[in-house]
This record gives sequence, structure tokens and C-alpha cells, in this order.
Amino acid sequence: AQTVTQSQPEMSVQEAETVTLSCTYDTSESDYYLFWYKQPPSRQMILVIRQEAYKQQNATENRFSVNFQKAAKSFSLKISDSQLGDAAMYFCAYRSPQGERDDKIIFGKGTRLHILP
Amino acid sequence: EPEVTQTPSHQVTQMGQEVILRCVPISNHLYFYWYRQILGQKVEFLVSFYNNEISEKSEIFDDQFSVERPDGSNFTLKIRSTKLEDSAMYFCASNRNPLNSGNTIYFGEGSWLTVV
Repeated sequence: AQTVTQSQPEMSVQEAETVTLSCTYDTSESDYYLFWYKQPPSRQMILVIRQEAYKQQNATENRFSVNFQKAAKSFSLKISDSQLGDAAMYFCAYRSPQGERDDKIIFGKGTRLHILP
Repeated sequence: EPEVTQTPSHQVTQMGQEVILRCVPISNHLYFYWYRQILGQKVEFLVSFYNNEISEKSEIFDDQFSVERPDGSNFTLKIRSTKLEDSAMYFCASNRNPLNSGNTIYFGEGSWLTVV
């Protein structure tokens, strides 16, 4: 079974600085999808960024980028120029490739990110 | 942008009572899900639903739980006899077409259930 591990329960970063959130996963599959979701105090689950395992190029979305190391099964999230609105719980997630039956997303335990003004 | 909507946003219920949580998935989506997040814990998969039947369910999804798509738009989660440990945020989610690889699962804002 696939697992997702986030080893940092909490992190803090100064506003405008850069922070990296770690995530590792375990799978025997060669093709899959990885996600970072953000959960602000409102508790909504918001997709931040997505990476397809077959793509070597790291995904980027504005100030958010990932460092995807497939061999190491590592998928870290880098937030540049941190803003107060980035304060949230961040979940790393894994999803199997699709077949006729859909497959669930498996979440890590989350990292709570604090932004210091 | 289309959204998954959930009602109620918060419900308080007495132990042993039945609860129905409602979701309206994105209109052209085919797969539907319920996830649960107990306070302070990670998000856990409950059930997926496709073509009017359960596609997969977790061990959490026991006989007390059921899902239904009563019409073309709503997707409901019913808890027959709530227990204190059912207190959690329940997220509905939907996906357009899993055969089109990589489609994102979109989450609703959650329904916070408190069992007293």
C-alpha cells in the first residue's frame, strides 16, 4: 500500500522569505500523481500544485514550486516570497494512475506553516 | 470557476441520531468521494462512487455509513446512528474523468459534524 510521510508537523518562516516543506512517499508503482493541498483556517482543501510522475520537469505555479526526486521518492514544496496568506496546513498527497476504476488520494499528516510578520 | 458545494457547513447532533450530509459535485464530473478529517488528524478516504455504485470504500466506511445520488445533482453521505467519534470535518470531492489521466480531485469546503 502507498504511504505519504510529512516529517515536519510545524514550520515557521519570516514574511518574504522562502520555505521548503518536505514530503516522502512509498509506492511500487512507476506512474502516479503527487499533489500539495493547502488548508487555511477556513478548512477548505485547496489544490496548490500537481506533479505527474512521468514528467521530469518540476511543476511550478507562481511562487510555489516542487522538487520532485522520483528515485528518492521525495516531493518537497518550496514557497518563495512567503505571504501572510500562505499560513495554513499543507498536505502532501499521492494518487495512483487511473484505470476503469478511480482511485483515492492518500494524504500525509500535514505540515502547519506559520508566517511571521 | 465551478465548485463543489456542501451543506450544512456545520451541524451539531445528538449521539444516536441520523445525519445526512449533502454535496453538489461539479456538474460534468463522474466520480464522487467522501473524505473525513478528525480534528488535528490527517484527511482520510471514506468512499468513492461511480455510475451509481460504490467504487471503493475504506474500513472506516462501515454499515453505519451509506452514500446515495438521489438525483442528477446531489451526492449524500448518511450516518445512521452517530457516535461521538464521528465528530469530524467531512469533505465531498469530485473528479471529471479518471480515464483522462491526471484529472484533479476538487474538494468542497467541508461539513463540520459535531456529535454530542
